[in-house]
Order: sequence, then C-alpha cells, then structure tokens
Amino acid sequence: AQKVTQAQTEISVVEKEDVTLDCVYETRDTTYYLFWYKQPPSGELVFLIRRNSFDEQNEISGRYSWNFQKSTSSFNFTITASQVVDSAVYFCTHGKLTFGQGTILTVHP
Amino acid sequence: DTEVTQTPKHLVMGMTNKKSLKCEQHMGHRAMYWYKQKAKKPPELMFVYSYEKLSINESVPSRFSPECPNSSLLNLHLHALQPEDSALYLCASSLLFLAKNIQYFGAGTRLSVL
Repeated sequence: AQKVTQAQTEISVVEKEDVTLDCVYETRDTTYYLFWYKQPPSGELVFLIRRNSFDEQNEISGRYSWNFQKSTSSFNFTITASQVVDSAVYFCTHGKLTFGQGTILTVHP
Repeated sequence: DTEVTQTPKHLVMGMTNKKSLKCEQHMGHRAMYWYKQKAKKPPELMFVYSYEKLSINESVPSRFSPECPNSSLLNLHLHALQPEDSALYLCASSLLFLAKNIQYFGAGTRLSVL
C-alpha cells in the first residue's frame, strides 16, 4: 500500500517570503511516480510536476523548485518569493491515486 | 487543449431527486475518473474508467451510478442522495490508466443535498 503524508496542514506567509511544503511518502514499489497539484479556490486541481523514482535530480521552474530524496522518502516543494496568487491548497500524490492530506498555503500581501 | 469540462458548476437537489453530472474531454484520453472532495480534505477516488470500462469502484453506494457512453464523456447519475453527499465532485482524465500519467481535472460540480 502507498501512503503520502503532508504534515503541514496550514502555512501562512507574507508576500516575498520563501516557503517549503513537505511531502513524505511510503511505498514498496521500486518504480513509482510522485506528483504535486495545486488547487486554487476555484476548485480545479492543476498539475505542477511529476517525478519518477529513477530521477533524483532537483527541478526548478521559475519560482518553483522541487527536492526529491529517496533516502528520506521525501519530495518537498519550495516557492521562492511567494505571491498572493500562490495561495491555494497543494497536494502531493503518489501515482496510484493516493493523495496526501494537502497543505493550505495563504500568502498575505 | 488540456481542458476537462464539467457541468453543472453548482447543483442543489432534494433527497428524492434524480440528477446527473457530466464530464467531457477532447484530449483523446482513455482513462477517466470521478472523485468526491469534502471541505478541507483531499479528493477521494470514487470510480475509474479505462477504455470505457469500469476498472475501479471504491465501494461507492449504489445511489451513485457512473456511466461512460464514449471515450470523451463521463456521467455520474445521482438518485436518493443524503445530505452527507454534499461535496465537490471532480472529474479527471489521463492518457491511460497508468501510475505515471498526469491527471487533468475539471473545475468540479459543487453539490448540495437538502
């Protein structure tokens, strides 16, 4: 069975602060995929990134970066210089349809 | 076009009503999903269709009846719902029903059962 844990229920920051969202996963699969999705207040989940178990390279996309470490079973997500539009619920998921509980991020002006 | 369209956006129904939720995608995806999401909770998988055949039914009560008439459409028929069924219902699709495939979500239908 797979399990995804997002220990941070809610995070509140002020605009321009950096913020890291934690994700820890459990799986017995040797090949697996991890995803991050963003859910703004409108309700639609938006895909952010996919990472497979063979690729431990960190990834940067604009203000977003991801740190995947198999040794600690973590796939953390950092937003640099946060903006109000980043306010949303962020879900880390295992490719077999296992969602973490989500982290509510609020960025204040 | 990476859009999944859900209708209606909002629905209020009584416990004796029959209604349907609709989901449509034109990305050529062969896997489609229904999720239920309560406030401040993650989406909970209800059903998965792969090549228009029901692949997963997560022990959903029979008052929810899915239907996949063709590869682009997914319906969820509702009958005799309970107030606790009030939630956001999300539809998603992916190229295939594989762990590596990205899911594309619709904006959901906000359902209220009175």
